[in-house]
Amino acid sequence: GGIITQTPKFLIGQEGQKLTLKCQQNFNHDTMYWYRQDSGKGLRLIYYSITENDLQKGDLSEGYDASREKKSSFSLTVTSAQKNEMAVFLCASSPRGYNQAPLFGEGTRLSVL
Amino acid sequence: QQKVQQSPESLTVSEGAMASLNCTFSDGTSDNFRWYRQHSGKGLEMLVSIFSDGEKEEGRFTAHLNRASLHVSLHIREPQPSDSAVYLCAVSIPGYQNFYFGKGTSLTVIP
Repeated sequence: GGIITQTPKFLIGQEGQKLTLKCQQNFNHDTMYWYRQDSGKGLRLIYYSITENDLQKGDLSEGYDASREKKSSFSLTVTSAQKNEMAVFLCASSPRGYNQAPLFGEGTRLSVL
Repeated sequence: QQKVQQSPESLTVSEGAMASLNCTFSDGTSDNFRWYRQHSGKGLEMLVSIFSDGEKEEGRFTAHLNRASLHVSLHIREPQPSDSAVYLCAVSIPGYQNFYFGKGTSLTVIP
């Protein structure tokens, strides 16, 4: 079976710092996603990518950059961490096609001091 | 923008009793519905998908969809303490890659 690996699992940053989160999948899926999960707010889409070098903005893309260097990896950069920010960033992947369900990694937990 | 709301926010049931979770959505063109489960500190586990009105069963999990009522529900038969988790409803519209998620229902199953 395949797996989605997110690194790091925990990330502590300083206000204003640029932080990068990484995601790798070995399902050979075409589409990859980054979601942000805040307590009491559900999941919100930041970026997704339907193939290598493709990027599509989600509803929450401001303040983030993303990069799909190759089919198996998708990275997310927080361009300037906000003080006291706490959230979980979830990476997901799915085969190409509208009815394909995203499979999720276990998340990166971000705390900003 | 699609709004997805889940109720109740939290639910406690006894082991073996049926657990019923609700999800309403705002966009009547929605046609792709998923229920996920998230154990504390873990990622999301997909439980059941449903694309047309009626019901879809996956093991002990059954989804019911009524698009005219903008409502999809999840019923868990014979819940066990290991089913204690947050349950998330996800909804998408035709041709759109993004799923909109509800805030979740926290289920606790008491032995």
